[in-house]
Amino acid sequence: DSGVTQTPKHLITATGQRVTLRCSPRSGDLSVYWYQQSLDQGLQFLIHYYNGEERAKGNILERFSAQQFPDLHSELNLSSLELGDSALYFCASSVAIRRGDRGADTQYFGPGTRLTVL
Amino acid sequence: GQQVMQIPQYQHVQEGEDFTTYCNSSTTLSNIQWYKQRPGGHPVFLIQLVKSGEVKKQKRLTFQFGEAKKNSSLHITATQTTDVGTYFCAGRDSNYQLIWGAGTKLIIKP
Repeated sequence: DSGVTQTPKHLITATGQRVTLRCSPRSGDLSVYWYQQSLDQGLQFLIHYYNGEERAKGNILERFSAQQFPDLHSELNLSSLELGDSALYFCASSVAIRRGDRGADTQYFGPGTRLTVL
Repeated sequence: GQQVMQIPQYQHVQEGEDFTTYCNSSTTLSNIQWYKQRPGGHPVFLIQLVKSGEVKKQKRLTFQFGEAKKNSSLHITATQTTDVGTYFCAGRDSNYQLIWGAGTKLIIKP
């Protein structure tokens, strides 16, 4: 158990719908990352938040958005869903990663949310 | 943008054979991390390499970071069924962003 929790575990919805995925980082971790993993594919980095602020964006579609709340949990919102959005969505957290911080920055992954768009 | 190329995409081995996966970056990396994802699971951190030419061992696993800090490898000696999964490298670039390799899937032939 990594200490990172994600809900829901599974989500089945229809095209055109909107869903929200939730992530609670490990206690004390300020950084949250979101990844998308399609079937048998690699990890596609979506977005990184640090202490409530967006720090980096990867290949995140405009239909997707995220935020990190004051209690440090994060939500990933996916709208106007398409069949191709079906994937496993992982959240990961790390202690703190800022420019100049050269400490250990291991990412701890949650169990993921499997999204199926029908 | 900066990329980390990881090869091979798949490797089929007989149990007991060795396995190696390689990562190459177009630019110098601050450090490189390795993760393992078991089938149906989530990525789990294995190790971080920071120094040029660094070599670290974890039992049957040997991790290397190149002298130029642009490449890295993971070698598993005498694979076992518990080694099955996908191995990812992730290099930290000059902006301190983590750039992920595509992963190498280790498959043990029956």
